[in-house]
Amino acid sequence: EDQVTQSPEALRLQEGESSSLNCSYTVSGLRGLFWYRQDPGKGPEFLFTLYSAGEEKEKERLKATLTKKESFLHITAPKPEDSATYLCALRWRNAGNMLTFGGGTRLMVKP
Amino acid sequence: SQTIHQWPATLVQPVGSPLSLECTVEGTSNPNLYWYRQAAGRGLQLLFYSVGIGQISSEVPQNLSASRPQDRQFILSSKKLLLSDSGFYLCAWSHGSGRAVEQYFGPGTRLTVT
Repeated sequence: EDQVTQSPEALRLQEGESSSLNCSYTVSGLRGLFWYRQDPGKGPEFLFTLYSAGEEKEKERLKATLTKKESFLHITAPKPEDSATYLCALRWRNAGNMLTFGGGTRLMVKP
Repeated sequence: SQTIHQWPATLVQPVGSPLSLECTVEGTSNPNLYWYRQAAGRGLQLLFYSVGIGQISSEVPQNLSASRPQDRQFILSSKKLLLSDSGFYLCAWSHGSGRAVEQYFGPGTRLTVT
C-alpha cells in the first residue's frame, strides 16, 4: 500500500486559473513534509518544509498547507513558467533522515 | 553556499558493461548523501544512503553498489549493467543532524542501457 499519494497525476490549467495539488499520507509519526519542483531533465528543486498541522508556507504564487493527513500546494494565478512536476516527500519518525516520495503531479499551464 | 555536482550528465552503455557515476558536494561538511533512481514519469526510489565515509546503507537489492571514499564524494557503480538499470539517477545531500533535513538534489545523470 502506497504511503504517499499525490493527486491529480496531471493537471492542465489556463494562465491565471488557480488550483491546488494534493499530497495525502497514511502513516502516523510525521516528522516533516517537503515540497519540490522538478523541471524536465533536471533534479528536484526544494520549495518548502512543513512540520506540523496548521503550518503554512508561501513563495511567490505558491502556498503550502498541512493537515494531519494531507498537504495542499495552492497555486494562485499560475503562469506558464510554473509548469513542472511537483513532488511531495515525507520524513517518518523511525526513518532517520530518509524521505519517502510521492509519484508527483505534472502541472501544465497554458497561456 | 552549497553546490552538488554529478557527472556524467548523460550516458549510453551496452548491457553487461560496468558503470561508475560520481557525485560531489561543496560547501558543507559531514553531509548525509543519497542515490535515487527515477523511472520515466515516476517518483523517486531511494537506492543508497550514507551518513559518513565508508558507511553505506542499501534500500533496494540489485546489481548496483555505492561507495563513499571521501566525506563529500559518493559513487554509484555496477559491474554488469542490465536493461532495467536505465533511468535518471539523482544524487542528493542533507545536513547530518538537526531539524533541517531537506534534501538538495544534483542535476542528475540520464543512463540508457542498450
